[in-house]
Amino acid sequence: KAGVTQTPRYLIKTRGQQVTLSCSPISGHRSVSWYQQTPGQGLQFLFEYFSETQRNKGNFPGRFSGRQFSNSRSEMNVSTLELGDSALYLCASSPWDDRPYEQYFGPGTRLTVT
Amino acid sequence: SQKIEQNSEALNIQEGKTATLTCNYTNYSPAYLQWYRQDPGRGPVFLLLIRENEKEKRKERLKVTFDTTLKQSLFHITASQPADSATYLCALDVGGKLIFGQGTELSVKP
Repeated sequence: KAGVTQTPRYLIKTRGQQVTLSCSPISGHRSVSWYQQTPGQGLQFLFEYFSETQRNKGNFPGRFSGRQFSNSRSEMNVSTLELGDSALYLCASSPWDDRPYEQYFGPGTRLTVT
Repeated sequence: SQKIEQNSEALNIQEGKTATLTCNYTNYSPAYLQWYRQDPGRGPVFLLLIRENEKEKRKERLKVTFDTTLKQSLFHITASQPADSATYLCALDVGGKLIFGQGTELSVKP
């Protein structure tokens, strides 16, 4: 099976702009989660989607949003970008509909905000 | 406050030895605990999951223990190899959210 794919892999944006990142989960996986990874804060949970509904949410401002489509593909959006949003954004899918949610991660999108 | 702490320093060991990584947590009551491996520039890779009612789990050269009284998990790699060099992350499942530790960088020297 193909792994989790994320596009684009690298992105440079200017402060104040918005960005949309895309994730295709492993075939058959219905749960998709998003994480932000920075050297200072480590790996932090953003949100999780299951069957097109947000099932869990981390402690991030409302500028961070996401959605999931009927084919389980997911997108996350960050509006009004700040310098501190520069990070590796990781998408992960899980083969399980219920806990525990072992995660299969994609390669990430490296976002740089200037 | 809630906290997860892994070995604060990088761990350097000799090939063939057993590497032991620690994950301590406070003010959490996780139902599950997971371990992941991350190589530079790549996403984490799932290794093992242990439930709160399990004391120990093994997979090939890997062993995980989970002590909910001590609020600690230990991750062992036996007969370590240079290819085991990576950052290892523990993650607590808290209400369906995965809360990750900062990771321990393991270096196995030949």
